[in-house]
Amino acid sequence: AQSVTQPDARVTVSEGASLQLRCKYSYSATPYLFWYVQYPRQGLQLLLKYYSGDPVVQGVNSFEAEFSKSNSSFHLQKASVHWSDSAVYFCALSIQGGRALIFGTGTTVSVSP
Amino acid sequence: GPKVLQIPSHQIIDMGQMVTLNCDPVSNHLYFYWYKQILGQQMEFLVNFYNGKVMEKSKLFKDQFSVERPDGSYFTLKIQPTALEDSAVYFCASSSTYANSDYTFGSGTRLLVI
Repeated sequence: AQSVTQPDARVTVSEGASLQLRCKYSYSATPYLFWYVQYPRQGLQLLLKYYSGDPVVQGVNSFEAEFSKSNSSFHLQKASVHWSDSAVYFCALSIQGGRALIFGTGTTVSVSP
Repeated sequence: GPKVLQIPSHQIIDMGQMVTLNCDPVSNHLYFYWYKQILGQQMEFLVNFYNGKVMEKSKLFKDQFSVERPDGSYFTLKIQPTALEDSAVYFCASSSTYANSDYTFGSGTRLLVI
């Protein structure tokens, strides 16, 4: 079965520092990959997605992610974080459109001043 | 952008009673989903629905759960009877028929079973 692993439950970074959130997936082929952000008591907002092509994808709010087939990874990065980036970040995969979206356990990001 | 609306935003219900959660998906979307999130935990897939049928369901989608979308109206999740462990936030999502379609999520219904 497909799965998503986010090894870091919590990450604390200083404002202005860089951020990397790790995501590893398990699937025999190349899945559709997503990063979502969830602010307190809100739904999910899509940051970026990967379907095929260029392994580096750009998303909203200067987030980017890099897909690696050899490492089965889809890590999220941001060069300089802002206090408003404090939230929970979920990595997710789907094996094709219309199928279940499988989520990782999430990484809580706290940005300190 | 297009939105998925969920009604109500909060619901408190006595254990054993029936509850219906309503979802108004994005207008041109044809795939619909329900997810469950217990406080502080990950989003867990419950079920997806297309063309009037359940396509996939997880182990969390108990016999007490049912989904339907009668005549293109709300996509609903019904729990009958409810149990204490059903307390969670339930998120609805929808996507179009395109292979690379985005999944659009609602803001959730916070269900408390007492």
